Amino acid sequence: DIQMTQSPASLSASLGETVTIECRASEDIYNGLAWYQQKPGKSPQLLIYNANSLHTGVPSRFSGSGSGTQYSLKINSLQSEDVASYFCQQYYDYDTFGAGTKLELK
Amino acid sequence: EVKLLESGGGLVQPGGSMRLSCAASGFTFTDFYMYWIRQPAGKAPEWLGFIRNKANGYTTEYNPSVKGRFTISRDNTQNMLYLQMNTLRAEDTATYYCARSDYGSSHWFAYWGQGTLVTVSS
Repeated sequence: DIQMTQSPASLSASLGETVTIECRASEDIYNGLAWYQQKPGKSPQLLIYNANSLHTGVPSRFSGSGSGTQYSLKINSLQSEDVASYFCQQYYDYDTFGAGTKLELK
Repeated sequence: EVKLLESGGGLVQPGGSMRLSCAASGFTFTDFYMYWIRQPAGKAPEWLGFIRNKANGYTTEYNPSVKGRFTISRDNTQNMLYLQMNTLRAEDTATYYCARSDYGSSHWFAYWGQGTLVTVSS
């Protein structure tokens, strides 16, 4: 099984700041990675797929990068509506989610 | 508009069974892989399994953690997805979501239902 290690577990940032969340896979997942945003009481929403492709309708301040076993989600110019939990998901070998990052405003 | 609506959750005793349903609309149901995913409160989602589309014979795959206890099926005439859960345990307590692939056989989840809560407790 492929394990996903996501960091940090929680993050506090100011409006307008740039935030980076990382996921490390236990083996090469060949860009088979997605990122989701989840607000309290809501279902997860797809942000990024194939490591760096922006899903339809997602603001361009969100971007994904990485390769091999290391991947990251960057949020430029943090907005108040970005306060949420974020999860990575590898789908190279079935599916595994990271433990999540809770993003709060400072 | 793509819509997924789960139902059938509730309280069940340990060792019991429950069937969840997911009503799909707004797309050609048979064209897409369909997934079940669960999420315990405050924790990460967990993929449970999926059922392939018509082009791939509607075959199923399961997470080893539930294989043999959970069964995914679909009624393509009614655009319905099902999750039959047997021999339920306390650790199966979670919100259960159905989800759709982004396109055909892609394995990232572009559309999710609102979820249905399953509580396994005596």
